[in-house]
Amino acid sequence: SFELTQPLSVSVALGQTATIICGGNNIGRNYVHWYQQKPGQAPVLLIYRDVYRPSGIPERFSGSNSGNTATLTINRAQDGDEADYYCQVWDNSRVIFGGGTKLTVL
Amino acid sequence: EVQLVESGGGLVQPGGSLRVSCAVSGVNVSTNYVIWVRQAPGKGLEWVSVIDSGDSTDYADSVKGRFIISRDNSKNTVYLEMNSLRVEDTAVYYCARPVRVPNDAFDIWGHGTMVTVSS
Repeated sequence: SFELTQPLSVSVALGQTATIICGGNNIGRNYVHWYQQKPGQAPVLLIYRDVYRPSGIPERFSGSNSGNTATLTINRAQDGDEADYYCQVWDNSRVIFGGGTKLTVL
Repeated sequence: EVQLVESGGGLVQPGGSLRVSCAVSGVNVSTNYVIWVRQAPGKGLEWVSVIDSGDSTDYADSVKGRFIISRDNSKNTVYLEMNSLRVEDTAVYYCARPVRVPNDAFDIWGHGTMVTVSS
């Protein structure tokens, strides 16, 4: 079955750019969606179909997807961006989540 | 406003059964996918099950044969019947549904319901 690989943790300085990757075999052929989850809260959809932001998501969040890697980019990182981030794809009729990346803002 | 509200979680002994519910308001539950996702304490998101608008279903290998997803259109509710529960099924169970995005992403989530399997 399809597997998604994410780094366990990423750190970014306040105001700088964070990059979170999601690896998978030819993941560029799939639509990738990204979720943000803060402690004690349900996940929130950040990016859908590789590059699109739902209404209400700041433009600081962007995505890309090509080859074997999908990328979530967070510009001008803020304290409030500290959270876990998950990528997600469909594999036939099953939903696959990456293992999650904890973002720390320094 | 579209809302998903889970209920039915609790403490159950290993080998026992429990049914959790996902009540949907603001949209017809039968017109799109609904998924169940769980999160064990301190762990990541794990997809559990899906039901589509045509009543087709699928399950993660870890729960296949033990869990059953179903839908009651008259109550606008999706259920997850969990049988032969194991300690490793302990988790917060979330339901989610696409509403304002294409139907392969999930923009509306419930708050979750906690299921604890312990003797």
